[in-house]
Amino acid sequence: DIQMTQSPSSVSASVGDRVTITCRASQGISTWLAWYQQKPGKAPKLLIYAASSLQGGVPSRFSGSGSGTDFTLTISSLQSEDSATYYCQQANSFPNTFGQGTKLEIK
Amino acid sequence: QVQLVESGGGVVQPGRSQRLSCAATGFTISDAAMYWVRQAPGKGLEWVAVISYDGSRKYYADAVKGRLIISRDNSKNTLSLQMNSLGVEDTAMYYCARGVAMGSAWSDAFDIWGQGTMVTVSS
Repeated sequence: DIQMTQSPSSVSASVGDRVTITCRASQGISTWLAWYQQKPGKAPKLLIYAASSLQGGVPSRFSGSGSGTDFTLTISSLQSEDSATYYCQQANSFPNTFGQGTKLEIK
Repeated sequence: QVQLVESGGGVVQPGRSQRLSCAATGFTISDAAMYWVRQAPGKGLEWVAVISYDGSRKYYADAVKGRLIISRDNSKNTLSLQMNSLGVEDTAMYYCARGVAMGSAWSDAFDIWGQGTMVTVSS
């Protein structure tokens, strides 16, 4: 199985800050990677697919990059409503696997 | 309104069975692979199973293989998960989700999620 490792596990930042979350795959997955945002008590929400494509309706401050084994999710100017846990997911092969999550808190 | 609605969760004793359902409204599931993803309390997301658009292919996580069975009824626009021989490790919120191809067959992101149904395995 492909292991997905996110870093950091948690991050605290201020409104307006630029935040970057990384996701590393244990083997190459091309660009078959998605990012999700999950708020407490809610289902995950798709933010980014195919490593860098923004899902419809998602604010443009979210962006993704990477290919192969290393990927990043960037929030260019943090807003208070971005407080959530973020997960990466590989879709290169079954079983699809998720990263362990990154909890983002607003200072 | 495009949505998925899960049902069937509850408290079940170890070793017993439970059947979850997922009803789609506002779109037809017949064009898409469908997935189950679960999340144990306070933990991360865990991929459980996938079924192809026509039901001909199914894949499972090793942790559930042989115990959980995914199925679909496109005529009723529903997805199901038959859960057998349940253990405490199966305690989780279960989400159904629609797969959307990222550009290659079976390389899906999950663009529509249900609200989840909680399964608690306890004596």
